[in-house]
Amino acid sequence: GENVEQHPSTLSVQEGDSAVIKCTYSDSASNYFPWYKQELGKGPQLIIDIRSNVGEKKDQRIAVTLNKTAKHFSLHITETQPEDSAVYFCAASIEGWGSARQLTFGSGTQLTVLP
Amino acid sequence: ETGVTQTPRHLVMGMTNKKSLKCEQHLGHNAMYWYKQSAKKPLELMFVYSLEERVENNSVPSRFSPECPNSSHLFLHLHTLQPEDSALYLCASSQGVGVITDTQYFGPGTRLTVL
Repeated sequence: GENVEQHPSTLSVQEGDSAVIKCTYSDSASNYFPWYKQELGKGPQLIIDIRSNVGEKKDQRIAVTLNKTAKHFSLHITETQPEDSAVYFCAASIEGWGSARQLTFGSGTQLTVLP
Repeated sequence: ETGVTQTPRHLVMGMTNKKSLKCEQHLGHNAMYWYKQSAKKPLELMFVYSLEERVENNSVPSRFSPECPNSSHLFLHLHTLQPEDSALYLCASSQGVGVITDTQYFGPGTRLTVL
């Protein structure tokens, strides 16, 4: 089955700096890669996702890059703000016509943005 | 917030108790999921339901018993749990059927403590 590894497990940055979180996956058939943000006391919320037909996707201060050959994808947050402090999870799955998909998650990164 | 609600938010139970977790989604989705989130471990998929039929059971002990009476409601019945079952239990839903692209939306979770 799929295995997703995520690094680093903790990350501290100064407000205004950039943060990068990296994930690798094992199943070359995986084609959908979402990123979730989990704040204290809340469930994970989707912040951005990317599919294998593109190499990069950007949404304001957040961007995700995908390297299918190397089987890794990364989350980039620019101009970090204190409210970006949370646990971030990457995940991978195989999309296609059918029923429910099974997401395999990384172990999470605790991001702390220092004021 | 995300259209997925869970009750109760916190639950403390003894090892001989029987309790149930409830999840409700208001998004018109066809697939629902139970995940277990333990400290410093990736989210673990427990069960997947698509159109009220269980399509995935990831070797979960029989002391956890899911029920999906309709596409909007999902229950997790608990009995004779062990202290190591203490965790955050997350429910999620997705469109699931008839779509190529699929996104899972999470509820806030139930924090379970087994004494």
